[in-house]
Amino acid sequence: TQLLEQSPQFLSIQEGENLTVYCNSSSVFSSLQWYRQEPGEGPVLLVTVVTGGEVKKLKRLTFQFGDARKDSSLHITAAQPGDTGLYLCAGALSNTGKLIFGQGTTLQVKP
Amino acid sequence: EAGVAQSPRYKIIEKRQSVAFWCNPISGHATLYWYQQILGQGPKLLIQFQNNGVVDDSQLPKDRFSAERLKGVDSTLKIQPAKLEDSAVYLCASSGTSYNEQFFGPGTRLTVL
Repeated sequence: TQLLEQSPQFLSIQEGENLTVYCNSSSVFSSLQWYRQEPGEGPVLLVTVVTGGEVKKLKRLTFQFGDARKDSSLHITAAQPGDTGLYLCAGALSNTGKLIFGQGTTLQVKP
Repeated sequence: EAGVAQSPRYKIIEKRQSVAFWCNPISGHATLYWYQQILGQGPKLLIQFQNNGVVDDSQLPKDRFSAERLKGVDSTLKIQPAKLEDSAVYLCASSGTSYNEQFFGPGTRLTVL
């Protein structure tokens, strides 16, 4: 059974703080996606990383794919209340079209 | 480009009743997924279609859940009879791009009383 362990599960921080969310697996993924989900909505794709060691930046968000393509991290700099939501990582299994989702990280950024 | 459409957005039923959800994927996307999501957790795959064929339904509780995608476009997911533990958000997603990128609809929140 492929698993994607995501941590932490919950994070409550003050506006302006930095944070990092981790996703780890023993499986190798062909790509990995990060999603953000707000209450009452479906997950929205933030980024896809494909190459081992790849780093992508989206404004204050930095995504990294591990060299072995088994793990990933999301770093948010100077968090804002608008960053509040459920962050999901999902690893893609090659040739199956299937995503393995992490358990999610609920982030609350207080003003 | 229109996103994934789902209806209804909310549904409240009593246990042992039946319910159906509808999904229309992004135009041209061959792969369609139904997920079940418990509040605050990651989505759990129920079934994956490629065009109108089932690719993976290993986690679909087939004694009560069924799904179809007859013309390879829109899809319906049915629960009959519903149980209390079926209360969740049911998400539909579609994919037609490389890297297994999936695009989600807004979901249907089901409450079983």
